[in-house]
Amino acid sequence: EAQVTQNPRYLITVTGKKLTVTCSQNMNHEYMSWYRQDPGLGLRQIYYSMNVEVTDKGDVPEGYKVSRKEKRNFPLILESPSPNQTSLYFCASRLAGGLNTQYFGPGTRLTVL
Amino acid sequence: AQSVAQPEDQVNVAEGNPLTVKCTYSVSGNPYLFWYVQYPNRGLQFLLKYITGDNLVKGSYGFEAEFNKSQTSFHLKKPSALVSDSALYFCAVSPGYSSASKIIFGSGTRLSIRP
Repeated sequence: EAQVTQNPRYLITVTGKKLTVTCSQNMNHEYMSWYRQDPGLGLRQIYYSMNVEVTDKGDVPEGYKVSRKEKRNFPLILESPSPNQTSLYFCASRLAGGLNTQYFGPGTRLTVL
Repeated sequence: AQSVAQPEDQVNVAEGNPLTVKCTYSVSGNPYLFWYVQYPNRGLQFLLKYITGDNLVKGSYGFEAEFNKSQTSFHLKKPSALVSDSALYFCAVSPGYSSASKIIFGSGTRLSIRP
């Protein structure tokens, strides 16, 4: 089944404790992206990657890191999480080209205490 | 600046009635337009998109959307609402074909269908 998977689905952590949210897709998509969803703000892009070893900042990159060492994986790293990073996070992927549909993972709900 | 607006935070419709969820955009050139739906505790699911051609686009679950270039709108419609259509709907715009084209999302409209 073609899909984007994320782990964990739910995470409660404390300020400053490094964490990684994994994202993997099995559709051989070149483009991958991370979003955060906050009430009333819609989806805001954190980072994106156009292919292996090619990543760039989105609208809200502060406090986040990413890597793209393999085409299928695009982990999101929070080196020192803070309470304002409490949010719902989505990973997405698509083929190259802005007209292509994005496929979303199920989301990771992160709470930073 | 490029943007997408969904002017209604919430739309309430009785089951069986037609529904419309509004979306307007401000993007230069010829954009690609999308609608996604989010059910509780789920990721976003693709509903439909406009690339080129016929202004009326048909998608999943009986939804359709009409692209209106002069009004820069892409409203989502369904002739007869179902309770199961209750969800959060997002309009999105991609400014161009480039792989780097960033999709811009609206803030979402919560659709509530009452029995």
